[in-house]
Amino acid sequence: SAVISQKPSRDICQRGTSLTIQCQVDSQVTMMFWYRQQPGQSLTLIATANQGSEATYESGFVIDKFPISRPNLTFSTLTVSNMSPEDSSIYLCSVEDPGGVYNEQFFGPGTRLTVL
Amino acid sequence: RKEVEQDPGPFNVPEGATVAFNCTYSNSASQSFFWYRQDCRKEPKLLMSVYSSGNEDGRFTAQLNRASQYISLLIRDSKLSDSATYLCVVTGDSNYQLIWGAGTKLIIKP
Repeated sequence: SAVISQKPSRDICQRGTSLTIQCQVDSQVTMMFWYRQQPGQSLTLIATANQGSEATYESGFVIDKFPISRPNLTFSTLTVSNMSPEDSSIYLCSVEDPGGVYNEQFFGPGTRLTVL
Repeated sequence: RKEVEQDPGPFNVPEGATVAFNCTYSNSASQSFFWYRQDCRKEPKLLMSVYSSGNEDGRFTAQLNRASQYISLLIRDSKLSDSATYLCVVTGDSNYQLIWGAGTKLIIKP
């Protein structure tokens, strides 16, 4: 499986500011995904990031709030804009296993965000 | 109704016992099914994909019942290290869209 890293691993931010989270993969992958996991809850898909095209956002998530970049096949960023305490969450990137048969996804270690 | 439903637990189980979890899903068009494991404050990790015919990996056995739209996970001879939250995951309308259950918490006691 791919090795995925995320930066930062955690951050504490002030209300109204923005944070950009980076996701790096050690191999080229077509599809990268950004999830949010709020405390005590399961994962919610924010958007799918494909290289060379705009990200596809799930219901309830918009580009102005969560702009995403995908400049190449090994890297993506997610920005959490104009943050509020409700954005406090773990943000996870994942990739689809390029050698997988059943659409398995593998995850980065996550970014733990606290907004004051 | 949630798209993927799991008993949140916690299941408190003595070491060495057998424990089983079930999960139901609502989308009859789902094609792929998984169990992930998530340790506290860590990312989810794939435990096993669930094949139509059922599959076994060591102490872990997964079953799929498409007619009833449920998935099960059986853990035999449970170890302390099996303590974690087990997440049931199915694909949505597209095969890369994963729908996640809220997880079942398992605590193995010595």
